[in-house]
This record gives sequence, C-alpha cells and structure tokens, in this order.
Amino acid sequence: NAGVTQTPKFRVLKTGQSMTLLCAQDMNHEYMYWYRQDPGMGLRLIHYSVGEGTTAKGEVPDGYNVSRLKKQNFLLGLESAAPSQTSVYFCASSKDGYEQYFGPGTRLTVT
Amino acid sequence: RKEVEQDPGPFNVPEGATVAFNCTYSNSASQSFFWYRQDCRKEPKLLMSVYSSGNEDGRFTAQLNRASQYISLLIRDSKLSDSATYLCVPDTGRRALTFGSGTRLQVQP
Repeated sequence: NAGVTQTPKFRVLKTGQSMTLLCAQDMNHEYMYWYRQDPGMGLRLIHYSVGEGTTAKGEVPDGYNVSRLKKQNFLLGLESAAPSQTSVYFCASSKDGYEQYFGPGTRLTVT
Repeated sequence: RKEVEQDPGPFNVPEGATVAFNCTYSNSASQSFFWYRQDCRKEPKLLMSVYSSGNEDGRFTAQLNRASQYISLLIRDSKLSDSATYLCVPDTGRRALTFGSGTRLQVQP
C-alpha cells in the first residue's frame, strides 16, 4: 500500500521557471491538501480540495495554482518561481478532512 | 490570538522518563483534536486522535480539558525513538487543520 506519494523528491529551479508537483494517493480519499514548511516553522496550508474537480485557497495561496482532475491526484503548480518559494512541500490526503496522511515531501530550492 | 499554542521546547528528558506537553487552543467550537509527530526533515505522522475527553494508546495518553481549552499529551517510559516534534492540531470546522510549530522532544540516553 503506497499511501501518499509525491514527485519529484528534490528540485532546483531558477527564478521565473515553472514546475508542477504531483501528489497521488491510493486510499480513495476525498480530501487532499498542499502545505509548505519553511525551516523551523509549522506547516502552512496553500490549497486544498474537498473532492474531484474542486479546489479552495488555504492560508498562503499566492503564486500557486492547483488542479484535481482525478480523485487520486492533486497537482500543485508554480507558474513563475521566486526565491521566497524555496521550501519543503507536503501533500496530504484525508477520508474526512481531519485525520490526514502525508507524503514524504518535495524539497524545492529556487535560486 | 493564535489558533493553537504550544511550548516550542526543546524538552530534554532521559530515557525512561515521563514527559507531558500541553497545548492551548482558541476555537471553543473545535470538536476533534489530533496529535502528530514529525521527525527531523520528515513528514508529519498521525499519532493519536481525540474525539472525546481523551485517548490512550500504549505509552501515549492524550487528555482534553474543554473548560480550559487545552489538551495534553503524556508519554510514559520515553524511548530514544520518541525524539521528534509533537504537533497539537485542533480541527477548524472547515475540513482543514491548522498546524503550529509544535513541541520538540529530545530523549537522551
């Protein structure tokens, strides 16, 4: 049982480049989330989805877009990367929006 | 006021010790509470869910005091492998959780 997987695990971007982070879950969960975690800080919610075809803004949505075309996948896009987006990105999924299960994270550096 | 407040620590305890963390929350409407643990540079993992007055799982006990709006986590017989950051997470009623920075525990041999 893979649970929640994220690709890629690491990425280095130059300022202005774009990229998409992929999150996949095999637990048939309705809810999916994208967080970022900066060094020494707590998780901050970027965007989330309460079901296939839905998305909603979290605490820090600016500079990111998301899509949930399939129930098992949740994509996070950075259209024009900035150094302030250097962070660890975690995806999570949940059956009911409460008990959340996290992927291993993507470490992104923007130079 | 922050939605959740925890002492950041670190709590340095010897192996075998009992340690307790407290967490206060501001939203009196929160019904569900969760303790997650996060190892250094790893993803958070759900440790325990609390839907009523408390929960117990082996060496771990969570107790909820709704009147005072705090929840505690007690770890008995600490192991080296318990070293991690412990995150107290109340539900927000919006099918999303708000994570704080947590409390760091370092168990020493």
